[in-house]
Amino acid sequence: DTEVTQTPKHLVMGMTNKKSLKCEQHMGHRAMYWYKQKAKKPPELMFVYSYEKLSINESVPSRFSPECPNSSLLNLHLHALQPEDSALYLCASSQDRDNEQFFGPGTRLTVL
Amino acid sequence: DQQVKQNSPSLSVQEGRISILNCDYTNSMFDYFLWYKKYPAEGPTFLISISSIKDKNEDGRFTVFLNKSAKHLSLHIVPSQPGDSAVYFCAASALRAGGTSYGKLTFGQGTILTVHP
Repeated sequence: DTEVTQTPKHLVMGMTNKKSLKCEQHMGHRAMYWYKQKAKKPPELMFVYSYEKLSINESVPSRFSPECPNSSLLNLHLHALQPEDSALYLCASSQDRDNEQFFGPGTRLTVL
Repeated sequence: DQQVKQNSPSLSVQEGRISILNCDYTNSMFDYFLWYKKYPAEGPTFLISISSIKDKNEDGRFTVFLNKSAKHLSLHIVPSQPGDSAVYFCAASALRAGGTSYGKLTFGQGTILTVHP
């Protein structure tokens, strides 16, 4: 298994909803990442987990809450989002933090 | 402050010819560079990387060149194929620096490559 999977592919939520994005990899990678990508822009790093511990938080608002239940899974919990949070949310993983990152297909999030 | 810049928003090339995508960086601490390809509605796909101890790395049709003194890298695709049409991002990381940003990738704005049959 050489891929990163993300669910759901698409998500529409209201500003008062609570939802979660899920990411999974079975490559034995020990670093996992969340990125946000707006249209015609590059991916922007949100969080990095290394060996299941949060190692980087790029000053992301608390309405985004990451969780790493085990070495294969990464979640992003969403609560009270704003319409400007609508974007493609990408998950990535790498062998360690100094290796190339492999990206999942992303979750297209729309906040109404 | 854009630390990684791709100054050409788009590039159009004929099938079979060479595509050259360019990337400049300003942070002298960057020592690991990567190229990604992205199709619409998909995640970026890793293409090739280069460490600052090298000036060239080749993988099939893809070659990355690094000029540290000019803080410039380029991706050469030879021969170009219509299936190469996508957005290409360069990215950089400062591994030697360590610290809290260890492993953080900084991406350029991307270049849209179109390869015409």
